[in-house]
Amino acid sequence: KQEVTQIPAALSVPEGENLVLNCSFTDSAIYNLQWFRQDPGKGLTSLLLIQSSQREQTSGRLNASLDKSSGRSTLYIAASQPGDSATYLCAVRSGGYNKLIFGAGTRLAVHP
Amino acid sequence: DADVTQTPRNRITKTGKRIMLECSQTKGHDRMYWYRQDPGLGLRLIYYSFDVKDINKGEISDGYSVSRQAQAKFSLSLESAIPNQTALYFCATRPQGGGETQYFGPGTRLLVL
Repeated sequence: KQEVTQIPAALSVPEGENLVLNCSFTDSAIYNLQWFRQDPGKGLTSLLLIQSSQREQTSGRLNASLDKSSGRSTLYIAASQPGDSATYLCAVRSGGYNKLIFGAGTRLAVHP
Repeated sequence: DADVTQTPRNRITKTGKRIMLECSQTKGHDRMYWYRQDPGLGLRLIYYSFDVKDINKGEISDGYSVSRQAQAKFSLSLESAIPNQTALYFCATRPQGGGETQYFGPGTRLLVL
């Protein structure tokens, strides 16, 4: 059974720091991996999607890497800003009916 | 206007009551999903539908039922609500094809007393 774990569960940093959020999964047979951002009252927004054949994806200050063989992904946030404060969720797509398996998330607070 | 909407946004109900959570989408996607989120846990899949005539159970379907009234509408019902169904519920949609992400509604916060 696929399980997704995210470390750390919570993180508080001063503005300007570079951050690394970690995601690990137990079964390497995945179709893709996604990073989502969750803001209170606004649902989830997809940030980056990495196909199983890819090693990384970049969008602005965000970079996500995927090492499928070791079951790991990292989300790198450069020069963090208070507006980055949110919960970041990692999810893998696996299984016969293409469902998403989510980690519990990392709650990030960036203070001025 | 939001592409995926959920009503109500917040709901308080009592044990034993029947309630319905509704989801509508204007994205024209075939696939729709219902998830629940509990504190400290990731989202878990309750039900999913690939089209109006195709309804499937997810990993935690007990105590829930769904109805796909049209391509754009997917409702989740709690036949007899119980306190451990207190959670944040999300609806999501996805177009056909394996590479696309899912698009989430804003969520419904449900409290069962």
